[in-house]
Amino acid sequence: GAVVSQHPSRVICKSGTSVKIECRSLDFQATTMFWYRQFPKQSLMLMATSNEGSKATYEQGVEKDKFLINHASLTLSTLTVTSAHPEDSSFYICSASTGLTGGNEQFFGPGTRLTVL
Amino acid sequence: AQSVTQPDIHITVSEGASLELRCNYSYGATPYLFWYVQSPGQGLQLLLKYFSGDTLVQGIKGFEAEFKRSQSSFNLRKPSVHWSDAAEYFCAVAANEKLTFGTGTRLTIIP
Repeated sequence: GAVVSQHPSRVICKSGTSVKIECRSLDFQATTMFWYRQFPKQSLMLMATSNEGSKATYEQGVEKDKFLINHASLTLSTLTVTSAHPEDSSFYICSASTGLTGGNEQFFGPGTRLTVL
Repeated sequence: AQSVTQPDIHITVSEGASLELRCNYSYGATPYLFWYVQSPGQGLQLLLKYFSGDTLVQGIKGFEAEFKRSQSSFNLRKPSVHWSDAAEYFCAVAANEKLTFGTGTRLTIIP
């Protein structure tokens, strides 16, 4: 149980294009979903928190107009990197929480490797 | 604000030897603590978690961790490592629905 999927697992795009990454909770309803960014050999940095049906809350320093997050249902959240540039190349990981377990345990997706040429 | 420190960036251990990965946290209230493992190019897998109760928690793959409030620590241990344990290990503390991760410890296993 508590499986989270991400699609695509890997994407390569040209500079200036937009890329959409999907995050799905497969066997549970996620009241909250999180998006993280991880640079090579570094830790995960929280980008934003989204609750179903409401606007995402972005961490300080994250451009909300560049990283568009939509949490349209209790099982799906999307991250769109708009007008991507090489510096946006990174590993993006989503997680989902039911809000029911202690500490709001998060279940992580396998990640999406974005390469912007 | 909460924070997590993993003082060891890289640890090398012989296969079959014991392992201890250090984690120190800073948080004003009772923490929710986690250890995750990440293989290259993969997402995070939860090894174990501490919410309350018994301070020695057992996890998957033979891992355990001990919560020591007096030392603000939550060190991860395994009595005998296997080559498949080579990975990146992250300690994390939860507060206000958010996870704060340490910088990670890369574990290398030598034959």
